[in-house]
Amino acid sequence: GDSVTQMEGPVTLSEEAFLTINCTYTATGYPSLFWYVQYPGEGLQLLLKATKADDKGSNKGFEATYRKETTSFHLEKGSVQVSDSAVYFCALSKGGGTSYGKLTFGQGTILTVHP
Amino acid sequence: DSGVTQTPKHLITATGQRVTLRCSPRSGDLSVYWYQQSLDQGLQFLIQYYNGEERAKGNILERFSAQQFPDLHSELNLSSLELGDSALYFCASSAGGRNGYGYTFGSGTRLTVV
Repeated sequence: GDSVTQMEGPVTLSEEAFLTINCTYTATGYPSLFWYVQYPGEGLQLLLKATKADDKGSNKGFEATYRKETTSFHLEKGSVQVSDSAVYFCALSKGGGTSYGKLTFGQGTILTVHP
Repeated sequence: DSGVTQTPKHLITATGQRVTLRCSPRSGDLSVYWYQQSLDQGLQFLIQYYNGEERAKGNILERFSAQQFPDLHSELNLSSLELGDSALYFCASSAGGRNGYGYTFGSGTRLTVV
């Protein structure tokens, strides 16, 4: 079945450091790919998405490019802030059939940014 | 406020008991999805309803059931509770059934089984 693998965490960075969180997926067909963020005590928020190969999703300084050849969707940010501290989830979704809208999540990566 | 309301926020109950979690979707959204988040299993899809009908089913135990009512709110019923059912249960809603676009998540119900 479909699966998503994220880099092991937690990740600890200093403010203004460069961030990369690796995400690879296994899926048949052409999934859509997502990054969600979860702040403490809150639900998941969509950070960015890409629906086809070579698409780049971006939001709030975060970027990820859908790489079909490497089945990857790595999250990057050039300069992190303390307020970026959260749990980040990579996810995929495929429409059609009986799996309308179901999101398959990676295990999540905890990011802590120190001043 | 995301627009998806989940109640209660916290629930503590004993093994063997039954509980009901409630979700009110964002206004206008027809699909409701339930997810379970635990430390060992991560985020697992349980079930989806679309306009009152079950649309997709994931790793949902037979002890668990759900329904979506005519006003589109949904309830997740968990029975014969075990310690391992302790988790954060999320509800999400979207306008349509496909592709996970426009998901809005609630803030979750934290269930503790003692």
